[in-house]
Amino acid sequence: ETGVTQTPRHLVMGMTNKKSLKCEQHLGHNAMYWYKQSAKKPLELMFVYNFKEQTENNSVPSRFSPECPNSSHLFLHLHTLQPEDSALYLCASSQAQGQGYETQYFGPGTRLLVL
Amino acid sequence: GENVEQHPSTLSVQEGDSAVIKCTYSDSASNYFPWYKQELGKGPQLIIDIRSNVGEKKDQRIAVTLNKTAKHFSLHITETQPEDSAVYFCAASRGGYQKVTFGTGTKLQVIP
Repeated sequence: ETGVTQTPRHLVMGMTNKKSLKCEQHLGHNAMYWYKQSAKKPLELMFVYNFKEQTENNSVPSRFSPECPNSSHLFLHLHTLQPEDSALYLCASSQAQGQGYETQYFGPGTRLLVL
Repeated sequence: GENVEQHPSTLSVQEGDSAVIKCTYSDSASNYFPWYKQELGKGPQLIIDIRSNVGEKKDQRIAVTLNKTAKHFSLHITETQPEDSAVYFCAASRGGYQKVTFGTGTKLQVIP
């Protein structure tokens, strides 16, 4: 185990549904990340939070809404998604941004299917 | 921005043989190069990384080499075992506040 947990592990939702993905890290880190992993494509960085402040939004559509209430928890709120949003959503954490070469620790991911 | 290319996309080797995965990067300012292993149903896990101030790093059966002039780096796995079967990702970053850019992955199959 990496110390990063994600729930749910699998999610099926319709295009009109609203759902949330949850990530929790038990490593004492201060930076948290959301990535999208699609088949045959590189990992796509979506959002970065450093000490609860959003430091990166990689041109992600507004139907994805992140929330970071504290350094241990990260959410991704989903609404009116499209079938092309089906993918594995990975959460990661690192000690903090801007302090050197921060190793990122990944959770197991949430497999999302949008019908 | 940074662009990382990774080859091959799939690789099959006999157990006990060596496996080599190669990556190239475009940003000459990149100075941190991690390698991740992703097993089925799991997230990527860091297996080894290298900074720009060294040319080679080894950890038991895995090693990474870096050629900054040519802007390429490679992962070498010796004496492969079935549990080495997974998808391997290379990545590059300038460090600090700069994001990590990942390659497209190599699916390694070790045949017993």
